[in-house]
Amino acid sequence: DADVTQTPRNRITKTGKRIMLECSQTKGHDRMYWYRQDPGLGLRLIYYSFDVKDINKGEISDGYSVSRQAQAKFSLSLESAIPNQTALYFCATSPPAGRDGSTEAFFGQGTRLTVV
Amino acid sequence: AQSVTQLDSQVPVFEEAPVELRCNYSSSVSVYLFWYVQYPNQGLQLLLKYLSGSTLVESINGFEAEFNKSQTSFHLRKPSVHISDTAEYFCAVSFRDDKIIFGKGTRLHILP
Repeated sequence: DADVTQTPRNRITKTGKRIMLECSQTKGHDRMYWYRQDPGLGLRLIYYSFDVKDINKGEISDGYSVSRQAQAKFSLSLESAIPNQTALYFCATSPPAGRDGSTEAFFGQGTRLTVV
Repeated sequence: AQSVTQLDSQVPVFEEAPVELRCNYSSSVSVYLFWYVQYPNQGLQLLLKYLSGSTLVESINGFEAEFNKSQTSFHLRKPSVHISDTAEYFCAVSFRDDKIIFGKGTRLHILP
């Protein structure tokens, strides 16, 4: 089983609909992230959470919201989907900084979202 | 503010030829540097990372990257590429105890 699981893997939705993307992890990490990937733009950070009570906006949070239901679950919502939110969405987790201050991200397989 | 620049969006290279994928970062403080690889239709996985110590880091599949503080670079190299190296490569930077920022990616095309 994957350590970081995203559901659904693919979704087509209509403009104006509300949609939720879910992420769960079995790595026991406190930190979770949502990124979106667009061709030529790389990965851009939407929201991140360093523990259950900590939610932070990333560089492109407008139009999105998140919920950290538990240490292992971090959901991304599009309240009213629009076509330019069509993208590949990735959830990631990371452990707290180690003694040397380092951390690294572990990714899910991605959710391909199409808004028509 | 931290940022990561990958200078090439696509790099075509013949099989068994050497390759260099460039990455520059900007930060006023010490950073940790990463290269991630994304194979077609898959998520991202860590290729290698620089935390401290030796400026040359290696991966298990023949890639290496060298941290150059004066040039604020962390270029990725491989002396001889294989068709299986076809993927998109992302450079990333993280400041101690902070979020991870990614570059825009470089697509590596291996030509037969």
